[in-house]
Amino acid sequence: AQKVTQAQTEISVVEKEDVTLDCVYETRDTTYYLFWYKQPPSGELVFLIRRNSFDEQNEISGRYSWNFQKSTSSFNFTITASQVVDSAVYFCGGGTNAGKSTFGDGTTLTVKP
Amino acid sequence: KAGVTQTPRYLIKTRGQQVTLSCSPISGHRSVSWYQQTPGQGLQFLFEYFSETQRNKGNFPGRFSGRQFSNSRSEMNVSTLELGDSALYLCASRLESGYTGELFFGEGSRLTVL
Repeated sequence: AQKVTQAQTEISVVEKEDVTLDCVYETRDTTYYLFWYKQPPSGELVFLIRRNSFDEQNEISGRYSWNFQKSTSSFNFTITASQVVDSAVYFCGGGTNAGKSTFGDGTTLTVKP
Repeated sequence: KAGVTQTPRYLIKTRGQQVTLSCSPISGHRSVSWYQQTPGQGLQFLFEYFSETQRNKGNFPGRFSGRQFSNSRSEMNVSTLELGDSALYLCASRLESGYTGELFFGEGSRLTVL
């Protein structure tokens, strides 16, 4: 079974601050994938990133960056120079070949102007 | 191209009734998954359908069922509704089942059971 832990339930920052959302994905599987989704108030989950367990290369996309460390089972997400529009619930999760994705409980990010 | 479409967006039912939710995946996507989202339990996987066959199933009672049609559209049904079934039900599609491809989610159907 997989376990996803997002230790931060809520985070509040002021606009332009950098913020890191933590995620720990625990599984006995040697091959798996990880992902992050954003859920704005409208409710629709928006895909942000997906990584395979054998690819530990960090990824940067604009103001977003992800750091995957297999040794610590962490897949952290950093937003640089946060903006009000970044306010949302962010979900981390993962899955295996079974195609059954497991989500964390989410981190609610509030970016204040 | 059009995203994942879920209907209805909102509905209210009473205990003991049954409900059917519909999901139209992105054109060309053959895998459809359903998730239940509640404040207390987060996002819980219900089941996944691919080519009209259930591929995976989560830990939900038999009152929760689903099916997929030849055009990849999917429906889920909840019978004998309970108060605890109040939730946002999210449908997600992807090209294929299994390991590859990210999930594309719809806006969900918000069910309230009174």
